[in-house]
Amino acid sequence: AQTVTQSQPEMSVQEAETVTLSCTYDTSESDYYLFWYKQPPSRQMILVIRQEAYKQQNATENRFSVNFQKAAKSFSLKISDSQLGDAAMYFCASPTISNFGNEKLTFGTGTRLTIIP
Amino acid sequence: DVKVTQSSRYLVKRTGEKVFLECVQDMDHENMFWYRQDPGLGLRLIYFSYDVKMKEKGDIPEGYSVSREKKERFSLILESASTNQTSMYLCASSPPDRAITYEQYFGPGTRLTVT
Repeated sequence: AQTVTQSQPEMSVQEAETVTLSCTYDTSESDYYLFWYKQPPSRQMILVIRQEAYKQQNATENRFSVNFQKAAKSFSLKISDSQLGDAAMYFCASPTISNFGNEKLTFGTGTRLTIIP
Repeated sequence: DVKVTQSSRYLVKRTGEKVFLECVQDMDHENMFWYRQDPGLGLRLIYFSYDVKMKEKGDIPEGYSVSREKKERFSLILESASTNQTSMYLCASSPPDRAITYEQYFGPGTRLTVT
């Protein structure tokens, strides 16, 4: 089965430091989008950043950037100058095929990020 | 801004009850989704719909059904709730004219407890 793997269930980082969250995926699509979502405690899931697979340039949104390695099917999220508001569960997402043969977005199991003041 | 709302933030039901979870989006999105979120398992797709009255099974449809009578509303139905359906349920929608695997906008979630 096609999967999305986040190998770090929990991570912590000192405020103002940089942290990288890992994600590997497995899709048979040739052109696709990859996503990182953030879910703060008891709050709504929101999109952090998206990467279009055919673009070689890594996406950047302010303090958030990705390291996209298409051949390795790796899609890590780097958070620079970490802030207390970055504390959340982070999910990466990739297209896969469901058990019933439908195309869908599959989410990883998440990485809980703690910011240490 | 896209707004996806869910009818309840918290819900407590008894085993065997029929449970309705409602989701409404206000941006004329064609694609809508229901997920359940459990610790250590991430988000798992239950059902999705790409148009009114259309539905497709996700990865874990057993024990659930859905209804989409209007474009803006997508309901998840637990015909006979069981304790293993205790979970956080998330609704999402995604824009028209995009692949079903494009970016999704999420509601706040409904935490359902079945006792």
